[in-house]
Amino acid sequence: AQSVTQLGSHVSVSEGALVLLRCNYSSSVPPYLFWYVQYPNQGLQLLLKYTSAATLVKGINGFEAEFKKSETSFHLTKPSAHMSDAAEYFCAVISGNSGYALNFGKGTSLLVTP
Amino acid sequence: EPEVTQTPSHQVTQMGQEVILRCVPISNHLYFYWYRQILGQKVEFLVSFYNNEISEKSEIFDDQFSVERPDGSNFTLKIRSTKLEDSAMYFCASSGTGKNQPQHFGDGTRLSIL
Repeated sequence: AQSVTQLGSHVSVSEGALVLLRCNYSSSVPPYLFWYVQYPNQGLQLLLKYTSAATLVKGINGFEAEFKKSETSFHLTKPSAHMSDAAEYFCAVISGNSGYALNFGKGTSLLVTP
Repeated sequence: EPEVTQTPSHQVTQMGQEVILRCVPISNHLYFYWYRQILGQKVEFLVSFYNNEISEKSEIFDDQFSVERPDGSNFTLKIRSTKLEDSAMYFCASSGTGKNQPQHFGDGTRLSIL
């Protein structure tokens, strides 16, 4: 069965610094991978998705992620953090040989300091 | 932009009572989902629904739970005989056909069982 591991439950960066949120997946077949963001008291908003068209995926708000099959990783990055990026970030996977259920990681809380 | 809407935003219920959580998916979507997030834990899949029947469910979705699409716009989750451990945030989502189609989430219903 597919699963997702997010390293680091909390990440703190300074405003303007690089954001790197890690996600590793396990799947026996090529997966579909997603990053979602959750702001306080809100639902999950899609940041970006990987569906095999391109390994480097650009999303909203300046975020991007690179699919690396050899490392089974799909890390999320942003060159320069803004205060408004402070939120909970979730990596999720759908296996290519299962149903449509999203399997989420435990989430990473991003704190941006002035 | 169309969005998934959920009502109520917060539901408080006595243990043993039945609750119905309501969702209005995006109108042209065909797949509907329920997820839950217990405080401090990851988002967990409960059930998916397509063509007026359950297409996939997790081990969490036992006989206590049921889903229904009573009309052309609403999608409901019923929890019978609620327990303290049912306290969680419940998210509804909808998507188009195909695993590459992102699931769009509502803002959730916070269910508190007393």
